[in-house]
Amino acid sequence: AQSVTQLGSHVSVSEGALVLLRCNYSSSVPPYLFWYVQYPNQGLQLLLKYTSAATLVKGINGFEAEFKKSETSFHLTKPSAHMRDAAEYFCAVSLQSGYSTLTFGKGTMLLVSP
Amino acid sequence: DTEVTQTPKHLVMGMTNKKSLKCEQHMGHRAMYWYKQKAKKPPELMFVYSYEKLSINESVPSRFSPECPNSSLLNLHLHALQPEDSALYLCASSQGTGTISYGYTFGSGTRLTVV
Repeated sequence: AQSVTQLGSHVSVSEGALVLLRCNYSSSVPPYLFWYVQYPNQGLQLLLKYTSAATLVKGINGFEAEFKKSETSFHLTKPSAHMRDAAEYFCAVSLQSGYSTLTFGKGTMLLVSP
Repeated sequence: DTEVTQTPKHLVMGMTNKKSLKCEQHMGHRAMYWYKQKAKKPPELMFVYSYEKLSINESVPSRFSPECPNSSLLNLHLHALQPEDSALYLCASSQGTGTISYGYTFGSGTRLTVV
């Protein structure tokens, strides 16, 4: 079984500030980890994914995430927030072996103020 | 083509109506999914089709009936819905269900309102 926990249902930052969205996972076998973004009234767009090739993963729109096995974490960061980054962000996990579907965290709403 | 296309984008239906949601992908993906998303909540898995066969039904009420006519199309037939079924319905696809290293590709969803 697998699960993810996203700390903080809302995160507020000023434009130009560092963005940090937290995700911790739990899985019985090595996981695949994903970050998705959802803008209002739209579907989910894949930001980046960890598939065991490299622990620091770079994604679209300037986002990156680091897989830390010792901390069971996969936090999402961006050095400088833009107004257009305001959206809902979901962390998701699946298992590297056998049959698996994506399991989503509860999401974190990123609010960016001028 | 790297998209999942869902139609219609918006749907309002009465509790006695029958309607269908449609989803199409041309990426050669062999797994397709229906998710339901309520406001301020994560997507919840409803159905999984793998190689055009239903492989997962997450205890979804029978008023929702999925159909996969071929590897590119996925339908969700709706009948006698309740107001609490109002939600964003998302379709997704992936290369396969055995190893999800590539993640899912999501459509933009159908916003369903049951009146």
